[in-house]
Amino acid sequence: SAVISQKPSRDICQRGTSLTIQCQVDSQVTMMFWYRQQPGQSLTLIATANQGSEATYESGFVIDKFPISRPNLTFSTLTVSNMSPEDSSIYLCSVEGAGSYNEQFFGPGTRLTVL
Amino acid sequence: GQSLEQPSEVTAVEGAIVQINCTYQTSGFYGLSWYQQHDGGAPTFLSYNALDGLEETGRFSSFLSRSDSYGYLLLQELQMKDSASYFCAVRVSYNFNKFYFGSGTKLNVKP
Repeated sequence: SAVISQKPSRDICQRGTSLTIQCQVDSQVTMMFWYRQQPGQSLTLIATANQGSEATYESGFVIDKFPISRPNLTFSTLTVSNMSPEDSSIYLCSVEGAGSYNEQFFGPGTRLTVL
Repeated sequence: GQSLEQPSEVTAVEGAIVQINCTYQTSGFYGLSWYQQHDGGAPTFLSYNALDGLEETGRFSSFLSRSDSYGYLLLQELQMKDSASYFCAVRVSYNFNKFYFGSGTKLNVKP
């Protein structure tokens, strides 16, 4: 299993500002994933972050809006840039399980509200 | 692209059996997972099927038919704590653990 922490757990931000969300894992992992989830809705994959290379973004998500860093095998950040109320959501990071590559472990999420 | 369909909501009573279906259309398919998510919590892994058939883990079982692009999660001996949202998710990459999630099914267990 993997233990994942995220910071901040929640934030309220003003329109036009940016927020950086941190994801820390207690073990080294190759791939990290960032998802967005509206309350009561599904999880939408934003991007896949591989250490040492550029993140791969899903359709509808761009690097200028959601820049991602992956400086080492236990840490990643997702920045939500130039925020609008439509960015209000829960942002989750996840990792694949070591030895159980079909399982993903999720962080507790960051609840973002944009006013 | 990917498309996964699940019922939006299911209600059942304690002790009963409930089946949550998932049909999918994907450009690549390597397996189907199920996740449970309680309100305010993170999704937690329940099962993964790569091959056709039934996988059983305690009270929960998961089934896959690749030819029908269909799977289901079967929950037996329902308990109140099983009230949660359940998501199916398809694995679309052979090289790494990349999943796309369905819309989720909210299960309400009543006494």
